[in-house]
Amino acid sequence: NAGVTQTPKFRILKIGQSMTLQCTQDMNHNYMYWYRQDPGMGLKLIYYSVGAGITDKGEVPNGYNVSRSTTEDFPLRLELAAPSQTSVYFCASSYSRPSTDTQYFGPGTRLTVL
Amino acid sequence: TQLLEQSPQFLSIQEGENLTVYCNSSSVFSSLQWYRQEPGEGPVLLVTVVTGGEVKKLKRLTFQFGDARKDSSLHITAAQPGDTGLYLCAGARSGYELNFGKGTSLLVTP
Repeated sequence: NAGVTQTPKFRILKIGQSMTLQCTQDMNHNYMYWYRQDPGMGLKLIYYSVGAGITDKGEVPNGYNVSRSTTEDFPLRLELAAPSQTSVYFCASSYSRPSTDTQYFGPGTRLTVL
Repeated sequence: TQLLEQSPQFLSIQEGENLTVYCNSSSVFSSLQWYRQEPGEGPVLLVTVVTGGEVKKLKRLTFQFGDARKDSSLHITAAQPGDTGLYLCAGARSGYELNFGKGTSLLVTP
């Protein structure tokens, strides 16, 4: 099993550009998450999904969109990139609720917006 | 709003020393998790504690969940360079979200 994979690993965007961060998991997990990690700030939840077709906002959803058309994939869309979106983005998945189950994280995407 | 406060923020010690990292909150959590993250990688789960007063041991690492389920600690005995990394605590309440602390960056030098 590859676990949770993310592409790309690095990306530089100009202000106003758009992009999609890809996330795929091969563990047949129901729950998937997108976090951003800024230096010294821990992880902040952007969006999460409890199954195909079901998504919900986390703590910091502004400027982002998600979709979940399959169990395996959970792409994160950035529209009109801003310097405040410079961060490291992690996708994670779990079989059930995080209170009782392990979240498996991908290796991250380092995004810089100039 | 930062629900979980971790201390210390940074810790630099020599191999063989003991250390304790703290994770505190005014909120009650149904469970609390500890993760370790190495540079350029995603966090990896070390342990989940769910019962107030629970103590779990993982080799040289000892995790404790406070009686009131508002705080937790991680104690490392005889630290080794391989323990170097960012340690994150994360609390779960009733929903689908984990609330992460800001992390403790640990450096263990030979």
